[in-house]
Amino acid sequence: DAGVTQSPTHLIKTRGQQVTLRCSPKSGHDTVSWYQQALGQGPQFIFQYYEEEERQRGNFPDRFSGHQFPNYSSELNVNALLLGDSALYLCASSLRVSGNQPQHFGDGTRLSIL
Amino acid sequence: QKEVEQNSGPLSVPEGAIASLNCTYSDRGSQSFFWYRQYSGKSPELIMSIYSNGDKEDGRFTAQLNKASQYVSLLIRDSQPSDSATYLCAVNPPSSNTGKLIFGQGTTLQVKP
Repeated sequence: DAGVTQSPTHLIKTRGQQVTLRCSPKSGHDTVSWYQQALGQGPQFIFQYYEEEERQRGNFPDRFSGHQFPNYSSELNVNALLLGDSALYLCASSLRVSGNQPQHFGDGTRLSIL
Repeated sequence: QKEVEQNSGPLSVPEGAIASLNCTYSDRGSQSFFWYRQYSGKSPELIMSIYSNGDKEDGRFTAQLNKASQYVSLLIRDSQPSDSATYLCAVNPPSSNTGKLIFGQGTTLQVKP
């Protein structure tokens, strides 16, 4: 039973560039959430996708956008990268129905901005 | 006031002792609470979930929830060096019907042999 998979594992970009991160949810899960985790901090919610639509969004600028595909996989896009975007980006999947469902995290993508 | 607060630590306990990790949350209507363990450089791993007042035990782990005090804790019995990690408290706020999680900053636990 495959868990949540993310790619790439590591990524180095420069300021102003754009990046796309990818996530495949755990088998049987239909909802994907993205989180940003800065060093020494807890993860912060970016947004969540279900049925190919953004359902809820955290306090992140429009530079952060996403997409969900019919197979439930998802992409996170970040435009005009800033130094402060350097972080671990985590994808979590769950089964829609209620907020009671625990979320399971992938291994993350570590993004470094130079 | 932060929505979910944890003491960042580090919390240091000797091997075999009980480690007690605490978390408070601000939104009184929150219903779902989770503890995640995160090893350095790794992603969070779910270890406990709790939804009702009282205690919930799973092996060496016990989660405790007191909604009146807006307090949730995690006890680790017979602590092992392999338990050394950052423990993240996460809450699903009532304003969200999508499973959005609000995390504390995490408590670093060090178990010394």
